[in-house]
Amino acid sequence: EVQLVESGGGLVQPGRSLRLSCAASGFRFDDYAMHWVRQAPGKGLEWVSGISWNSGSIRYADSVKGRFTISRDNAKNSLFLQMNSLRTEDTALYYCAKKTLSVLSTSGYLNYWGQGTLVTVSS
Amino acid sequence: QSVLTQPPSVSGAPGQRVTISCTGSSSNIGAGYDVHWYQQFPGRAPKLLIHGNSNRPSGVPDRFSGSKSGTSASLAITGLQAEDEADYYCQSYDSRLSAHVVFGGGTKLTVL
Repeated sequence: EVQLVESGGGLVQPGRSLRLSCAASGFRFDDYAMHWVRQAPGKGLEWVSGISWNSGSIRYADSVKGRFTISRDNAKNSLFLQMNSLRTEDTALYYCAKKTLSVLSTSGYLNYWGQGTLVTVSS
Repeated sequence: QSVLTQPPSVSGAPGQRVTISCTGSSSNIGAGYDVHWYQQFPGRAPKLLIHGNSNRPSGVPDRFSGSKSGTSASLAITGLQAEDEADYYCQSYDSRLSAHVVFGGGTKLTVL
């Protein structure tokens, strides 16, 4: 059974940093690209970042570019999101999601999602 | 403002048919990129409902169907049931944006 379990969320002041983790199990982690998608309270889904199977291809939404860094450790079946210079508008539930392909192409879809970890940016 | 436009809400009575539209442009849906649909219940993670415009993963009832034409896509739900009440999101890709993955703004389905 595929499982994605996010952790690392919490309350943080504007300008500070936070590192999210996503522990994957039930599939061969290094065969698939992974993504982070967030959802602000009461709002829709917003794609944040994606990383290919070997970390060779990485992309970010404009809203987080230069502040967030996605990474993965295939040996530990883990996905990460380092979030720096956090802003109040980054407040959201952050989901990690597994793609059906290994690369960041314009094909494939997100076939499994974690339950999310809540990040609240407030003073 | 989402790249893909969905109606904020739709509603229907049990047993009826409803459709949810997802309108894009020549740089996303119109460019030939597939459209995928996700269902999300309150307090729950999104779940894949339709992939590749019209394909249902195993376990998804055939009451749910998807289609795509030109720069738009649609999700149809027939034989509406109370348990279908949820938020629905379309997703595709965009060739112009650095936002590699794009979502619609979501549609709240209310079963009357």
